[in-house]
Parts: sequence; C-alpha cells; structure tokens
Amino acid sequence: DGGITQSPKYLFRKEGQNVTLSCEQNLNHDAMYWYRQDPGQGLRLIYYSQIVNDFQKGDIAEGYSVSREKKESFPLTVTSAQKNPTAFYLCASSRDRTGKEKLFFGSGTQLSVL
Amino acid sequence: GQQVMQIPQYQHVQEGEDFTTYCNSSTTLSNIQWYKQRPGGHPVFLIQLVKSGEVKKQKRLTFQFGEAKKNSSLHITATQTTDVGTYFCAAPRLNTDKLIFGTGTRLQVFP
Repeated sequence: DGGITQSPKYLFRKEGQNVTLSCEQNLNHDAMYWYRQDPGQGLRLIYYSQIVNDFQKGDIAEGYSVSREKKESFPLTVTSAQKNPTAFYLCASSRDRTGKEKLFFGSGTQLSVL
Repeated sequence: GQQVMQIPQYQHVQEGEDFTTYCNSSTTLSNIQWYKQRPGGHPVFLIQLVKSGEVKKQKRLTFQFGEAKKNSSLHITATQTTDVGTYFCAAPRLNTDKLIFGTGTRLQVFP
C-alpha cells in the first residue's frame, strides 16, 4: 500500500534529551511537511521540504531540526532547546509544493516528556 | 500575519440534525481545502475549492467558497455518528506555498 509511515506511535523524552521522529513515504511525493498539534488546537507548521537536500522553516521551527537526504524520508529531531515538546506530531506529503495539492498525513507520533 | 479562523470551536448535535462550520480569512485565498480528523486519528483530505462562489457536494456534505474567496463553509445534512471528528479548513498563506490550517471545529453527535 502506498502511504506515509510515522514511527514510533508513542515517544517519551527525558530532560535534556534529543529525540528523532521518523517519517517515510512511498508516494513519490516531492514535498514533505511536519506539523505540531496541541490538544484542541489546529496544526502548526514546523518545517517543510520541497526537494531533496532542501528545507525551510515553518511558523514554529525553534527547538526542532530536520533533514531531507532522501526523497522518501523526512525525519524530525526535537532538541533539548524545545522546552514544551509534548504534542502530537504529524508528518505529511504532497505531490508538489504549490500549496494547491492535497496533503497525505501519517498516523502521527505522540511525544510526551517524562 | 494571515490567519484562517474557524467557528464554532465546538458543536454538539443530536443525530439527524444539520451542522455547519465556517472558515474566514482576512485576505483573499487562492484555494481552500477541507480535512476531517477522527478522534485519535490523522487529518484526511475531503475536498478542495478553487473558484469564486464554487459549491461542491459529497453525499450529505456541501462545501462552499465565498464570492470574494475570503470565506468557506462546510455543511452536513442529517448528521450521523460517523460524522464525529474535527473538521479543518486549510489554505496557502498569501504569496507562499505554505498551507496554514484553521483552528478546527470539533463535532460531537449524540445518538
């Protein structure tokens, strides 16, 4: 089946620890995105990538980092600089970056702080 | 900056009642998309509207794009318990390709 796979489903972070969330897609999509969702709120854009080896900051990039070494993969690292990391993280992809293509979402990762 | 506001934030209805959520922008939108997120799930694309005044239907769901392309609505006729979830609108930020999401409307349907 074609789609987006996020792992793990649940993740716990200790103080001062960096954690990495995985996102893989086999849809051959150029664009990939990371969104953060807090309870009862909308989705806020963290980072997005339009092409391999290139990515741009979204609205809330501080405390996060990404890489796009392969078209299929767009991992997100939540660094220790992110003081309030507890949230539901959603990875998405689209065929291109025009903003007119629909997004396909992964099933999400719930990150909690121990 | 450009924001996409949705109202209401919550809506509780009896099964069989109608439901409407509204999405409003301070700027003209090139297009607008609607997504549904079931409880514990991820957003799933429903539809995209592009033309001024456009109306599209999907079974009991009716989507409208305003004449000025600054607002949109989603109307569900005769809600069912399967309609439960949060409905989001999303649109590209002005002069960018970044898709920004509305705050969402959470729908609860009581049998």
